[in-house]
Amino acid sequence: SQQGEEDPQALSIQEGENATMNCSYKTSINNLQWYRQNSGRGLVHLILIRSNEREKHSGRLRVTLDTSKKSSSLLITASRAADTASYFCATDINQAGTALIFGKGTTLSVSS
Amino acid sequence: ETGVTQSPTHLIKTRGQQVTLRCSSQSGHNTVSWYQQALGQGPQFIFQYYREEENGRGNFPPRFSGLQFPNYSSELNVNALELDDSALYLCASSSQETQYFGPGTRLLVL
Repeated sequence: SQQGEEDPQALSIQEGENATMNCSYKTSINNLQWYRQNSGRGLVHLILIRSNEREKHSGRLRVTLDTSKKSSSLLITASRAADTASYFCATDINQAGTALIFGKGTTLSVSS
Repeated sequence: ETGVTQSPTHLIKTRGQQVTLRCSSQSGHNTVSWYQQALGQGPQFIFQYYREEENGRGNFPPRFSGLQFPNYSSELNVNALELDDSALYLCASSSQETQYFGPGTRLLVL
């Protein structure tokens, strides 16, 4: 079953613009992570935000978490063509381990 | 590069056959998780191994089974393959919260 749902499903922007993707989830979490996937290959970890954190930055990435609304957002600033990929949010709900529950992803296309 | 490797990269099988996929963990990681990703979908959690013991399982039938070895590498076995088993199979290793994914094995069942 899907825990997280990303919105929008697809996003097309021009280089230099900002891209914002949203994720909603259903149950309490330990943390929420964002991953990138290029062309059906392996996933690349981008950023992890814990349930007691509200905002985190990493380079051109900014992630927010609102546990009261069970939602998160990923902002990519000054997008580049190389940012073209699918982006997934994943929630850690397994208290005994680190099993991740993924959403269906947002497909980002950045054109030059 | 995450240091997680998977083999083979691609595989074609027919319905009813059995398949074994392999994963080598990143050095120092004692936990391996397996995921199935159908086309256009997000990865679905199959199961997780921690120090050679199963440590959680998703909604997959018993014909999906696994092993973790003392060096923390892992195998995913699928018996009685069905057409719907066609997917990208991803393994991920971790020592704490962050999971590091391999490039995946793409399985096609005909």
